Amino acid sequence: SQQGEEDPQALSIQEGENATMNCSYKTSINNLQWYRQNSGRGLVHLILIRSNEREKHSGRLRVTLDTSKKSSSLLITASRAADTASYFCATGSGSGTYKYIFGTGTRLKVLA
Amino acid sequence: DTGVSQDPRHKITKRGQNVTFRCDPISEHNRLYWYRQTLGQGPEFLTYFQNEAQLEKSRLLSDRFSAERPKGSFSTLEIQRTEQGDSAMYLCASSLIQGFSGNTIYFGEGSWLTVV
Repeated sequence: SQQGEEDPQALSIQEGENATMNCSYKTSINNLQWYRQNSGRGLVHLILIRSNEREKHSGRLRVTLDTSKKSSSLLITASRAADTASYFCATGSGSGTYKYIFGTGTRLKVLA
Repeated sequence: DTGVSQDPRHKITKRGQNVTFRCDPISEHNRLYWYRQTLGQGPEFLTYFQNEAQLEKSRLLSDRFSAERPKGSFSTLEIQRTEQGDSAMYLCASSLIQGFSGNTIYFGEGSWLTVV
């Protein structure tokens, strides 16, 4: 079963614009991770945010976490055609189990 | 850092045959995960190991599936009597346990299985 759901399911923007993707989950978590996946490839880790953190940055990426709303967002600023990919959130929960459950993904297309 | 390695990358097999996938995690990583992903879906958890111990198995992992991690190093995922519904990408990932609040998991490129 999927823990998280990304929203929107698909997003198409022009190069240079910002892209925002949201992830909602159902149960309490220890941390949340965002991944990128190019078509037919493995997943590339982007950012891990812990439950006691509210915001993290990495280059053009900004992730926020609101545990009271059980949601997270991923912002990609100044998008590039190379950002075209599917983006997934994965939640880790449980005492020491760290079984990561993935959402359904947002398919981002950046038009040059 | 050689990353997580999976082999083979692609496998086409006839229904009813057995297949085995191998995963070599990042060295010193003590956790190893197997996921399955079908087109348009997110990865679905199958099982994970801490060192050589298999700590959890998903209900998706029917009795036709078996995973091992001898000596806590590489892992194999075997599917017996394959069915067309087994066609998917099988992803392996590994991580190093650090503290309580979580750790980054790193994925391999996946092994594509097509059952004809």
